[in-house]
Amino acid sequence: AQSVTQLGSHVSVSEGALVLLRCNYSSSVPPYLFWYVQYPNQGLQLLLKYTSAATLVKGINGFEAEFKKSETSFHLTKPSAHMSDAAEYFCAVTETGANNLFFGTGTRLTVIP
Amino acid sequence: DAGITQSPRHKVTETGTPVTLRCHQTENHRYMYWYRQDPGHGLRLIHYSYGVKDTDKGEVSDGYSVSRSKTEDFLLTLESATSSQTSVYFCAISEFQGRPDTQYFGPGTRLTVL
Repeated sequence: AQSVTQLGSHVSVSEGALVLLRCNYSSSVPPYLFWYVQYPNQGLQLLLKYTSAATLVKGINGFEAEFKKSETSFHLTKPSAHMSDAAEYFCAVTETGANNLFFGTGTRLTVIP
Repeated sequence: DAGITQSPRHKVTETGTPVTLRCHQTENHRYMYWYRQDPGHGLRLIHYSYGVKDTDKGEVSDGYSVSRSKTEDFLLTLESATSSQTSVYFCAISEFQGRPDTQYFGPGTRLTVL
């Protein structure tokens, strides 16, 4: 069975500080992993995805994530937080041939000026 | 942005009434999905479609039905709405299956069942 766990439902960082959002996955086969961002009253937008081509994945808006098989993790990072990064972030997992994404419960990021 | 619209965007209804939500896409993608988003649960799949008239159940399909008579439209119906179906509903589309294709999401429909 596939699942993801996002540690920390709320994360606060100061503007300019490092952003680290945690995601651990469970999958019986090599997974495909995604990070989505949701701004208030909007749909989800893809930030980045891991498809086994490279373990360090770069996405939009300066975000990146590293796939670590030994730790079953896919944490999202950004070196310097911007006010516009305030949003909710979702990690999701799927497998080849699967029909849907399994989402984590989300992490709400607050950026303090 | 992927051309996905959802209607209505907001709806308030009463327990026991039927409700239909519409998802319309202009991308000609084969796969369409309905998710619901609830606090503490993230997004969960209700139903999905892999072609016209081809649909299947997802994780939380009880109380919901779907139909797809055209490539561009995917309807979600609550035959008799209950308060537990108060949620935000998202439609998503993807072009392929069998590989990690990106799902693109619509803007959502906020449904309140009183």
